[in-house]
Amino acid sequence: TQLLEQSPQFLSIQEGENLTVYCNSSSVFSSLQWYRQEPGEGPVLLVTVVTGGEVKKLKRLTFQFGDARKDSSLHITAAQPGDTGLYLCAGAASGGSYIPTFGRGTSLIVHP
Amino acid sequence: DVKVTQSSRYLVKRTGEKVFLECVQDMDHENMFWYRQDPGLGLRLIYFSYDVKMKEKGDIPEGYSVSREKKERFSLILESASTNQTSMYLCASSFQDRVRYGYTFGSGTRLTVV
Repeated sequence: TQLLEQSPQFLSIQEGENLTVYCNSSSVFSSLQWYRQEPGEGPVLLVTVVTGGEVKKLKRLTFQFGDARKDSSLHITAAQPGDTGLYLCAGAASGGSYIPTFGRGTSLIVHP
Repeated sequence: DVKVTQSSRYLVKRTGEKVFLECVQDMDHENMFWYRQDPGLGLRLIYFSYDVKMKEKGDIPEGYSVSREKKERFSLILESASTNQTSMYLCASSFQDRVRYGYTFGSGTRLTVV
């Protein structure tokens, strides 16, 4: 059973477009992380959100944690080819678990 | 720069061989993890360790074993490699009481079993 559903699975857009990636669950998470993985490399942590309703910005990337801490979104403004990669969300369930659950990822391609 | 180092980027092994994948971290992290990543299946946890000489099975431990003799090193062992173990293997580490700070991953080992 996959606890974290990511959508869309694939996204192919032109440079300059905006996009949003979603990470949804029926479970409550104490924290949620977003990673970006480039081809042939390991995932790299982008951000952690811990408070319901929290919004964090990282340059052109905006991350939001749902009020109920069951979902999150990643919005990219004016996408660039360098944003190409696999975006993964991972959540640590409430209750003290230190084993995050990973979504299956959203594969993003930004064409010049 | 903190890092997790995996010993090989690419490996090709024959069916039935014993395969060792090594991972070393320099961040004094308590937790270490081995995942495999396959298209459409995402990251699946094989084994993890929260302390030296301690290990716990993840979601797909069959056909694998692990060793953690030192805090900084976590090894994944394929006792008898099979073609269905062809995959990308990722090692990761984290602090035990600061999970919110996430994992640090290695660059991965792409293993092909022929």
